[in-house]
Amino acid sequence: DAGVIQSPRHEVTEMGQEVTLRCKPISGHDYLFWYRQTMMRGLELLIYFNNNVPIDDSGMPEDRFSAKMPNASFSTLKIQPSEPRDSAVYFCASTRGGPGNTIYFGEGSWLTVV
Amino acid sequence: AQTVTQSQPEMSVQEAETVTLSCTYDTSESDYYLFWYKQPPSRQMILVIRQEAYKQQNATENRFSVNFQKAAKSFSLKISDSQLGDAAMYFCAYRAGGFSGGGADGLTFGKGTHLIIQP
Repeated sequence: DAGVIQSPRHEVTEMGQEVTLRCKPISGHDYLFWYRQTMMRGLELLIYFNNNVPIDDSGMPEDRFSAKMPNASFSTLKIQPSEPRDSAVYFCASTRGGPGNTIYFGEGSWLTVV
Repeated sequence: AQTVTQSQPEMSVQEAETVTLSCTYDTSESDYYLFWYKQPPSRQMILVIRQEAYKQQNATENRFSVNFQKAAKSFSLKISDSQLGDAAMYFCAYRAGGFSGGGADGLTFGKGTHLIIQP
């Protein structure tokens, strides 16, 4: 079975540009998470969805960040406008309902804003 | 809010030896799950082992085992017969057992321990 698929794997963009990160969760999973990893702050939960509905976006750093899940097989995380401090690895993860179930991570999108 | 603390930024062990990585957590919940994830240089997050808080028996997966001390809120990972492929960042993570929203459904991670395997 295919795992969580993220694109792009790497992106370098200029400050002020719009960045869109994409995620395809594992089929049948009803929870989708977006995490950010930086050296300073470690792994932070940005937002998560249940059955395509955003449940908690309190981790989204500011209004420049937005996330959508138009259907069960696709989600996007958008940064507009991007800033150098947004440089990080962004992970998408998914799981089937049940807190003890394994959360599977994608390979991450490595974003560099110059 | 739950917190997870890994007090060892880096650990080093000789190949074939045993190493223990420490993790403590803070929660007021009685129902929760604890996890160890491995992150090799490829950055992929890989589940190593999982522990249910209601289970007294420590989880074991081949060379990986945990020492779960619920009263002390401690969850250490023991790696036996260390191999070069075990070199990675290891993250301890907590997840609440109930679906209360407000982030409780996601994983809370520690800062990680960088494990070095000496050949």
